[in-house]
Amino acid sequence: GNSVTQMEGPVTLSEEAFLTINCTYTATGYPSLFWYVQYPGEGLQLLLKATKADDKGSNKGFEATYRKETTSFHLEKGSVQVSDSAVYFCALRNSNTGNQFYFGTGTSLTVIP
Amino acid sequence: DGGITQSPKYLFRKEGQNVTLSCEQNLNHDAMYWYRQDPGQGLRLIYYSQIVNDFQKGDIAEGYSVSREKKESFPLTVTSAQKNPTAFYLCASSIQGQNTEAFFGQGTRLTVV
Repeated sequence: GNSVTQMEGPVTLSEEAFLTINCTYTATGYPSLFWYVQYPGEGLQLLLKATKADDKGSNKGFEATYRKETTSFHLEKGSVQVSDSAVYFCALRNSNTGNQFYFGTGTSLTVIP
Repeated sequence: DGGITQSPKYLFRKEGQNVTLSCEQNLNHDAMYWYRQDPGQGLRLIYYSQIVNDFQKGDIAEGYSVSREKKESFPLTVTSAQKNPTAFYLCASSIQGQNTEAFFGQGTRLTVV
């Protein structure tokens, strides 16, 4: 079946620190992979995506590379800011097995000045 | 601008009353979804619909009902049979049958007293 395993939080970093949030997945075929961000009291916003192996998604300084050999899609940012404090969700969608999305449990990030 | 709108943002109801949460999208998406999010938790799928007049139960459908009479609208009714209805509810939509992303509404926070 399809599933996403995400690094548990919470994660607390100082401003300008390097961020990695690990995400691994299980799926048959060729799913698309996503990172979403959720700010307090709001819905999820798409941060970045990758649709095939070796694709790199990037946005607002965040990057993630679709690694089929390790079934991973780790989120990275070289220098975090206080405004990056939020909950981050890794997700996959596999049209071969229906139209559902599969989400990780979310990782809460707090960046302190 | 295209998007997905949930209303209201906050909703209060007395125990034993049914309540309907609104979700409207103008993205021309066939697929729509309802998720429940509890504090510090991930997303759990309640119901999803791939086409007008058709919908499927998700992982936690008990105590909820939906309808899909129009492509743009996918209202969720939280019935009195739902034992613990207080939660944050998220609606999403996506293109059907492709590995594209989901678009989320801003969410409705339901509090049952």
